[in-house]
Parts: sequence; C-alpha cells; structure tokens
Amino acid sequence: KAGVTQTPRYLIKTRGQQVTLSCSPISGHRSVSWYQQTPGQGLQFLFEYFSETQRNKGNFPGRFSGRQFSNSRSEMNVSTLELGDSALYLCASSSGKETQYFGPGTRLLVL
Amino acid sequence: DQQVKQNSPSLSVQEGRISILNCDYTNSMFDYFLWYKKYPAEGPTFLISISSIKDKNEDGRFTVFLNKSAKHLSLHIVPSQPGDSAVYFCAASEVGDYKLSFGAGTTVTVRA
Repeated sequence: KAGVTQTPRYLIKTRGQQVTLSCSPISGHRSVSWYQQTPGQGLQFLFEYFSETQRNKGNFPGRFSGRQFSNSRSEMNVSTLELGDSALYLCASSSGKETQYFGPGTRLLVL
Repeated sequence: DQQVKQNSPSLSVQEGRISILNCDYTNSMFDYFLWYKKYPAEGPTFLISISSIKDKNEDGRFTVFLNKSAKHLSLHIVPSQPGDSAVYFCAASEVGDYKLSFGAGTTVTVRA
C-alpha cells in the first residue's frame, strides 16, 4: 500500500505571497492531519479533517487554512506569508483513533 | 504549554547496547501514546504505540513501558544498531481526539 504523499517537496516563496500544499493519504484513510515543524517550536498540530470536515484546529492564526476533498486528499493554504512560516509541513493520515502515518513533508522557505 | 516532555535532548549509546528514551506528560486525559523516529528533512516514521490500558508493548527490538501513576513512558531499543541513529519523538493523544501532542525529541547516536 502506498504511503502518504505530499507535494511539492520543496517550495520557496516571498513574504506576502500565499502557498498551497497538497497531501494524499494512505488509501482507505479518511482522517488527515497537518503539523508544522520548526526548530524553535517543534512539531505543532495545525488541524485535522475527516470526511471533508475540520474536526480540530490548533493554535495558529487564520492565515492557515485547509480543506479535504471527497477522495480524502487534503490541501492546506497559508496566506500572506511571513518569515516565521518557514518550516517543514507534515501531513499524516489515519484510519481510526490510533496510529497516524506521516508523509515526507513539504519544506517551505519564506524569503 | 508543553504537555509532553522529553528532558534528554541527546543520547549516545554503543552499538549492541540498550537505548532507553524517556518521556513525561502532564495531561491526565492522554490515553494513547506513540513513539516516532525521524531523520532530517523526512517525515516521522511510526515505531510503536501503547494504549493507556496497558503498561507494556513489544515489537521486535522496541519495547514501550507506560507508568500512568507517574505519567511517564519509556522506549527501550535492544540491541541498538547504527541505523537507529535519528531523532525520536514521543507523542500522545487524548480520548476521542486525533490531535497528537509531541515532545521536543531526543537525538540518539549509536556509536560503532
């Protein structure tokens, strides 16, 4: 079974721009979660989607948003990028309450 | 506030010996705990998990121990191998919640 895939793997943007990241979960998994990893803050939860509905949201500003499609694929969007948004963005999928499986991540650099 | 804490930022161990990684948590609502291994610029790889109804779970070289009264869990890797050199994260989730709270990670270096 193919793992979680994320595109693109690397991205360079400038301040003020917006960015959209994509995640395809493991086949059959309906829950998709997004996390941000930075050297200073570690791994932090952004939001979780299940059946196209956001079920949980972390403590991030409204510039961070997401959505999930009927095929469980998910996208996250960051508008008005700031230098501090430079991070590794990770997507994880799960078939139930238990283990979340992570994708390789998208490395975003904001200049 | 950091609800999951890994107080040892690094651990160095000789190949073939045991690696013991520790994790403490403060949230009594956590009911599921996981350990992930991560290489730089890659996503975390799931290693092993444990439910709060158990106190031990084994999978090959990896064993996780949970002490609910002390709000403490540990990961034992026996024997340690060079390929085990990575950052290890402890994570936890609450009842009915898919959000994972992560510790800051412990960098393990296995010496030949």
